[in-house]
Amino acid sequence: QSVLTQPPSVSAAPGQKVTISCSGSSSNIGNNYISWYQQLPGTAPKVLIYENDKRPSGIPDRFSGSKAGTSATLGITGLQAGDEADYYCAAWDTSLSEFLFGGGTKLTVL
Amino acid sequence: QVQLVESGGGVVQSGMSLRLSCAVSGLRFTGSGFHWVRQAPGKGLEWVAVISDDGTETYYADSVKGRFSLSRDNPKSTLYLQMSRLTAEDMAVYYCVRDRAGLRYLDNWGQGTRVTVSS
Repeated sequence: QSVLTQPPSVSAAPGQKVTISCSGSSSNIGNNYISWYQQLPGTAPKVLIYENDKRPSGIPDRFSGSKAGTSATLGITGLQAGDEADYYCAAWDTSLSEFLFGGGTKLTVL
Repeated sequence: QVQLVESGGGVVQSGMSLRLSCAVSGLRFTGSGFHWVRQAPGKGLEWVAVISDDGTETYYADSVKGRFSLSRDNPKSTLYLQMSRLTAEDMAVYYCVRDRAGLRYLDNWGQGTRVTVSS
């Protein structure tokens, strides 16, 4: 059971929008930065969103991040088949002194 | 370009030890902290440990505390993860990853090295 809670799966049709939630507590999301990672099948993860809502260079603006209190959301618009992947939220936990990952969400593009 | 190359994975018997290495190039090694993150077959990502840029601070997940030890050799730009008393629960692909902005996020992932624990 992960400390950061994500839905196991989400799905939507090509071109549509999807959101993935990540719920935590004041010791992690509430007082530290959240980041999001995309893991395509058979590959190493890569950072999609950092410091709550920033995109690294090369990440399209179809991907967005937001944070409110102890929860965060990853949004993906204009869904493409290539977006099918596992998505993970993560944050440092000040109480545990651990870097936490959510359980991961599998995105299916219908 | 930035490269993190893990090595040292393989098959090890339960209860034994193994040392993973991560050779880093393309960035200022001494200016960066580094993490190890693992992924068991068919499972999600699990953070294992982090070491600060100067090697003075390390933090470990509860699941490996007391059994794993993370160190770095700055002149060689190499990280080491010494793993002992391995169990089936430690079987995973282990990724070496650069820390950014003081535990704010992780970028520059290695390709991973697989550890298999046999009984």
